[in-house]
Amino acid sequence: NAGVTQTPKFRILKIGQSMTLQCTQDMNHNYMYWYRQDPGMGLKLIYYSVGAGITDKGEVPNGYNVSRSTTEDFPLRLELAAPSQTSVYFCASSPGTGNSPLHFGNGTRLTVT
Amino acid sequence: AQSVAQPEDQVNVAEGNPLTVKCTYSVSGNPYLFWYVQYPNRGLQFLLKYITGDNLVKGSYGFEAEFNKSQTSFHLKKPSALVSDSALYFCAVTGGATNKLIFGTGTLLAVQP
Repeated sequence: NAGVTQTPKFRILKIGQSMTLQCTQDMNHNYMYWYRQDPGMGLKLIYYSVGAGITDKGEVPNGYNVSRSTTEDFPLRLELAAPSQTSVYFCASSPGTGNSPLHFGNGTRLTVT
Repeated sequence: AQSVAQPEDQVNVAEGNPLTVKCTYSVSGNPYLFWYVQYPNRGLQFLLKYITGDNLVKGSYGFEAEFNKSQTSFHLKKPSALVSDSALYFCAVTGGATNKLIFGTGTLLAVQP
């Protein structure tokens, strides 16, 4: 199994551009998450999904959108990139609630200039 | 609201010495507590978790953690540090049904030869 796969690994955007960060998992996990990691700030939850067709906001959803049309895929969309969205983005999945550890992808490093 | 604090940005320890990385939490109800490790340019990897039962939890790579309900703490420990343990360590907590993990800000562990 590949686990959680994120593409691209790196991206540079100009202010106002849009892009989609891709995330796919092959573990048949129902739960998927998007986090952003900023230095000294830990990880902040952007959006999460408890199954296909269901998404909900996390701590820092502004400026982002998600969709979950299949169990495997959970893309994150940035519509109008801003410098404040410069960060490392991690996608994660888990099989269920509460006591299930998260499985993380290797991240996408995004720079907005 | 649930929260987790890691009071030390960095912990320095000599190889072969015991190490402790501190974590305190706040959550309504019974907590589910986790430790993750992050190596450079990689996603987070699960180390260990506390759900219920024995307060001393053993995990991967010789790490263990002690749950202390009265002090609301979940410190990560290892009897003898290795240089290869040098990494960024995150404590995380959830108390809800959606497995929305809240992460601490991370502690950089530096093990000197």
